[in-house]
Amino acid sequence: AQSVSQHNHHVILSEAASLELGCNYSYGGTVNLFWYVQYPGQHLQLLLKYFSGDPLVKGIKGFEAEFIKSKFSFNLRKPSVQWSDTAEYFCAVRMDSNYQLIWGAGTKLIIKP
Amino acid sequence: NAGVTQTPKFRILKIGQSMTLQCTQDMNHNYMYWYRQDPGMGLKLIYYSVGAGITDKGEVPNGYNVSRSTTEDFPLRLELAAPSQTSVYFCASRPTSGVNEQFFGPGTRLTVL
Repeated sequence: AQSVSQHNHHVILSEAASLELGCNYSYGGTVNLFWYVQYPGQHLQLLLKYFSGDPLVKGIKGFEAEFIKSKFSFNLRKPSVQWSDTAEYFCAVRMDSNYQLIWGAGTKLIIKP
Repeated sequence: NAGVTQTPKFRILKIGQSMTLQCTQDMNHNYMYWYRQDPGMGLKLIYYSVGAGITDKGEVPNGYNVSRSTTEDFPLRLELAAPSQTSVYFCASRPTSGVNEQFFGPGTRLTVL
């Protein structure tokens, strides 16, 4: 079955640390890839997306993600996190021309000031 | 634009009661979605719609119904509330072409006791 895995459910970092959140999917066809963020008390917002072209995509607030097709991965990175990055991060994948997104379980990120 | 709006923000139901969660978008998006978000489980698709008059089941449709009489509105109906329906419900919409990002509403936190 098609699925999206986020391996870390909780991550705790200190400010200025580097961040990498993993996302893997199980599907061999064409994919569109998304990272969404949910800040405490707020609704989901798009961080970045990949459709085609350069596999390294840059999003808002200094986040970036790299699509590695051979590894079926789309990991989210930020070189230096801030306290305001505390949030839950979701990876989502659209497979072929399906109307639906398949969502990962989410990673709760806590940044210690 | 108000984007995607949802009402109510919070609701407590007794087992067996019914209610309708409202969702409205003012972006003229054809696609609309209802998700539920349970802790550690990511988002699960309940129902979706590709346009007025057209709806289809998602991954977890049991216990819910939807209708789409207009482009703007996509209400979700719970007929006989059960404790297993305690969750946070998100409505989302996206345009048919171009950017495939889904835009989310603020969510409805529902508790069934």
